[in-house]
Amino acid sequence: GEDVEQSLFLSVREGDSSVINCTYTDSSSTYLYWYKQEPGAGLQLLTYIFSNMDMKQDQRLTVLLNKKDKHLSLRIADTQTGDSAIYFCAESTNTGNQFYFGTGTSLTVIP
Amino acid sequence: GAVVSQHPSRVICKSGTSVKIECRSLDFQATTMFWYRQFPKQSLMLMATSNEGSKATYEQGVEKDKFLINHASLTLSTLTVTSAHPEDSSFYICSARGVGAGRDTQYFGPGTRLTVL
Repeated sequence: GEDVEQSLFLSVREGDSSVINCTYTDSSSTYLYWYKQEPGAGLQLLTYIFSNMDMKQDQRLTVLLNKKDKHLSLRIADTQTGDSAIYFCAESTNTGNQFYFGTGTSLTVIP
Repeated sequence: GAVVSQHPSRVICKSGTSVKIECRSLDFQATTMFWYRQFPKQSLMLMATSNEGSKATYEQGVEKDKFLINHASLTLSTLTVTSAHPEDSSFYICSARGVGAGRDTQYFGPGTRLTVL
């Protein structure tokens, strides 16, 4: 399978920006996603980006894609305590037939 | 947006029994459903892919006789964990992809937490 890597932990102070990074190996990735998982819950799709885009912004969320370096990031502006969760990046190929998930980054927001 | 449900959300069973988990697409037809497994503090690992009306395709290392998958209709797939053992305790998440929901994305269910005593 493909390798999708993330740093495991991130702590930020409330009100600061959070940046969660993800690297992947599959050059044929077409769709890249960010999911949020709160304790004991399923996955919540936050946003996704097509591989022909460099950036996508949706309210407090900004996704940056560097296709050359196979690097994806999620920036959360004005991070709140409710943003504390595990964030997974995922990628899929043209068919969208299989997702490869990253290892997940546990975000802790300090009040 | 498209909604995927799972039932039950939580199940506790004795070792040696079988457990069935249902995954339903509520407002779209799912030609393909996926079953993932997540161990505590780990990522999701794809177990199998099922297409409506055909046999599931299992990932390497996943026992097809232990994890029976049936995708009999366009809105329902079931995962049966047969002769469950404590090591099968995990969080099982399904996702669905299909007509009308966006062909190239998956919608995830809320997950089923299985605990085998």
